[in-house]
Parts: sequence; structure tokens; C-alpha cells
Amino acid sequence: GENVEQHPSTLSVQEGDSAVIKCTYSDSASNYFPWYKQELGKGPQLIIDIRSNVGEKKDQRIAVTLNKTAKHFSLHITETQPEDSAVYFCAASIETGANNLFFGTGTRLTVIP
Amino acid sequence: GAVVSQHPSWVICKSGTSVKIECRSLDFQATTMFWYRQFPKQSLMLMATSNEGSKATYEQGVEKDKFLINHASLTLSTLTVTSAHPEDSSFYICSARGRQGVDTFGSGTRLTVV
Repeated sequence: GENVEQHPSTLSVQEGDSAVIKCTYSDSASNYFPWYKQELGKGPQLIIDIRSNVGEKKDQRIAVTLNKTAKHFSLHITETQPEDSAVYFCAASIETGANNLFFGTGTRLTVIP
Repeated sequence: GAVVSQHPSWVICKSGTSVKIECRSLDFQATTMFWYRQFPKQSLMLMATSNEGSKATYEQGVEKDKFLINHASLTLSTLTVTSAHPEDSSFYICSARGRQGVDTFGSGTRLTVV
């Protein structure tokens, strides 16, 4: 089955700096890669996703890049703000039918004011 | 946007009793719903996948008789933790998949068994 690894497990940045979180996956058939943000005591919220037919996607301060050959994808957050502090999870799946998401182990991001 | 409502948000129950958690997709029909369990500071662990009108598919190691899942309609799935014990205390989260293939998560249920 799919195995998703995520690094780093914790990340602290100064407000205004950029944050980068990296994930690798093992199943070359995976073609859908969402990123979720989870705040304490809440469920994960989708912040951005990318499919394997594109290499990069941006949404304001958030961007995701995908390297299918190397089987890795990354989340980039620019101009970080204290409210970006949360746990971020990457995931991978084969986007067909009821195939489930395989999650990374999470990154606890702390933005220091 | 897609909204998934999960209730209750927290529950405390006595050991040996059963607890039902509801997961509703409010503004879309969910072809598939998923149930996860999350331990403190850990990732989401998939428990089961349910499709409307059919039996849930449980992950290895998850007791189907203990964690009963009912997906009665395209907008509602329930998870019942039967004969709960303290080791069942955890954060349970559901997600619903819409026709565009995106999974939307509920807000989670913190179960404490005393």
C-alpha cells in the first residue's frame, strides 16, 4: 500500500518568513495530493490540493509543488502569520472510487510573532 | 463550500455503555464517508470506509462488532462505539467525499470513557 512520509515534524518560523513542508509517497499510481490544516481540537481543513497532471498550484500565500518522478510534493507558505500556526498534514491517494487518503505524520508549525 | 457536521463534539460516558457519533454532509451528497481515530499528537488512523447502503469496510485491526458503522443515506453516517472502555477514549473524526472527489472533514468528537 501507499506510504507517505512527512518532514519536518515540527517547524518554527518568524512571522513574515516562509515555511516549507515536504512529503514523499511510495505508490506511483497516486494522483491526488491534498494538504490539510488542523487546529487544536478541530477536524482537518483542506487548504490546497494538487493532482498529478500539474506541477504547481498557488492560492494566495499557499503553494504546492509536485514532482512525480521523484514522488515528492511540498507545501509552501509565504509571509507567515501567527494564525498559520497549526498542524499540517499531507496526504496521497488514487483518485478513483472509494480509495482512501493516506496521511503523513503531520508537521506542527509555530509562527513566532 | 462543502460542510460536514459531526456531533457530538465531545462526550463522556461510563465504561460498558455505547456512544453514537453522527456525521452529516450538509450541502452535498457523500458517495463515501470515512471514519478516523486520532491519538494525541499523532496522525489520522483510518478505521473504516462506508458507502451508502452497503456494509462498511474496516481496516485491519479494527473490531467491526465494537465500532458499528451505519451509512443510511447519502448525507448521514453514524459510528457507534459499543461497550466502551477507557482505552476507546480518543478523538474520532469523520470525512465525507463529494462527487468531485474531495474529502471534507467533520470537526471531530472527543470521547472520554470513565
